[in-house]
Amino acid sequence: EAGVAQSPRYKIIEKRQSVAFWCNPISGHATLYWYQQILGQGPKLLIQFQNNGVVDDSQLPKDRFSAERLKGVDSTLKIQPAKLEDSAVYLCASSDRGAYTGELFFGEGSRLTVL
Amino acid sequence: GQNIDQPTEMTATEGAIVQINCTYQTSGFNGLFWYQQHAGEAPTFLSYNVLDGLEEKGRFSSFLSRSKGYSYLLLKELQMKDSASYLCAVTGGGNKLTFGTGTQLKVEL
Repeated sequence: EAGVAQSPRYKIIEKRQSVAFWCNPISGHATLYWYQQILGQGPKLLIQFQNNGVVDDSQLPKDRFSAERLKGVDSTLKIQPAKLEDSAVYLCASSDRGAYTGELFFGEGSRLTVL
Repeated sequence: GQNIDQPTEMTATEGAIVQINCTYQTSGFNGLFWYQQHAGEAPTFLSYNVLDGLEEKGRFSSFLSRSKGYSYLLLKELQMKDSASYLCAVTGGGNKLTFGTGTQLKVEL
């Protein structure tokens, strides 16, 4: 079974530039999550999708971050314009049962450096 | 909201036993997870507790007391490859999984 795919693995941009990250979850997984993990910290939930609907985006900085999940499969997370404090690893995860009882499967992450 | 506390760092000796504690406060508890994360890698699932008691899985065991808002992860027969960050995570209301900051475990010879 293929795992969660993310790209790009690494991205370096200057502040005020824009960046987009892509995620392809495990086939059949209805729930998709984007987490931000700053070095030395635990992952912080940015947004949660159930199929193509948003379940929780309470911690997403909506003035600069946006995310979509077209057709309930792939998802894209965009940052525009980027700030220095956005430097982090962006982890995508998927689940077939949601976080109530289901294990989350994580991709390898996209490491963003903002200069 | 949810609040999760766990020690920042721990050091243990190869072959020994180590216990990593986690305390939490949450509105609407639906389960507690432990994940392992090696440096530069994604978190991987270790265990899930929803009822009080001990869940054992090979060298790893996880305990939960819902009344105390407390869990621990027990690692036996430590190996060098167990050096990693161990993340405690809680599912609260809304099917939302919230992670603690992680405990960095260093296994020494």
